[in-house]
Amino acid sequence: RKEVEQDPGPFNVPEGATVAFNCTYSNSASQSFFWYRQDCRKEPKLLMSVYSSGNEDGRFTAQLNRASQYISLLIRDSKLSDSATYLCVVNIPSGAGSYQLTFGKGTKLSVIP
Amino acid sequence: DARVTQTPRHKVTEMGQEVTMRCQPILGHNTVFWYRQTMMQGLELLAYFRNRAPLDDSGMPKDRFSAEMPDATLATLKIQPSEPRDSAVYFCASGLALWAGQETQYFGPGTRLLVL
Repeated sequence: RKEVEQDPGPFNVPEGATVAFNCTYSNSASQSFFWYRQDCRKEPKLLMSVYSSGNEDGRFTAQLNRASQYISLLIRDSKLSDSATYLCVVNIPSGAGSYQLTFGKGTKLSVIP
Repeated sequence: DARVTQTPRHKVTEMGQEVTMRCQPILGHNTVFWYRQTMMQGLELLAYFRNRAPLDDSGMPKDRFSAEMPDATLATLKIQPSEPRDSAVYFCASGLALWAGQETQYFGPGTRLLVL
């Protein structure tokens, strides 16, 4: 089983739609979780951290389910500018008290006019 | 607005040549990462430094790749000799590790490498 798994998509949604992505991780000792966004031919950028209680930033809501080992990202009222690849990132123990950010391969979102 | 900078932004070279990529992390950050991204493999961690000390380079082909941090403002990734399969985008990222397990990374714009 891969350490961090995402549905690659693409998700093609109309403007204004609500879309949700899930991501599963294999190591139950993982400590912290993030969503990054990567535009075409650009670098990944931090979108938001994911907290156990769930957190919201405007139209974006992130949730963590430790029991089932998955995180989710919900985008409401999607805009054309939301079109990008969304990377799930998990901080996985790498031994001797160290952790390593491990990236999923990303889910591609296309918002259509 | 502090940013990670990388040079060169693009590099085209021939197989067998040495390639050196440079990264200037954000001032004050204590961790530096080198990643490689391809369509097939996604983002792969090559090397990781904390306080300039190499912590993990298990993702890096040791026979041809080397990563160093000669000082806190410069990280380098070298490939010698380069091969066509090294063609990829190489990202440098820096972060501030306040405690183990909690860290966000800020990426540079990447170096697009094409080895012919």
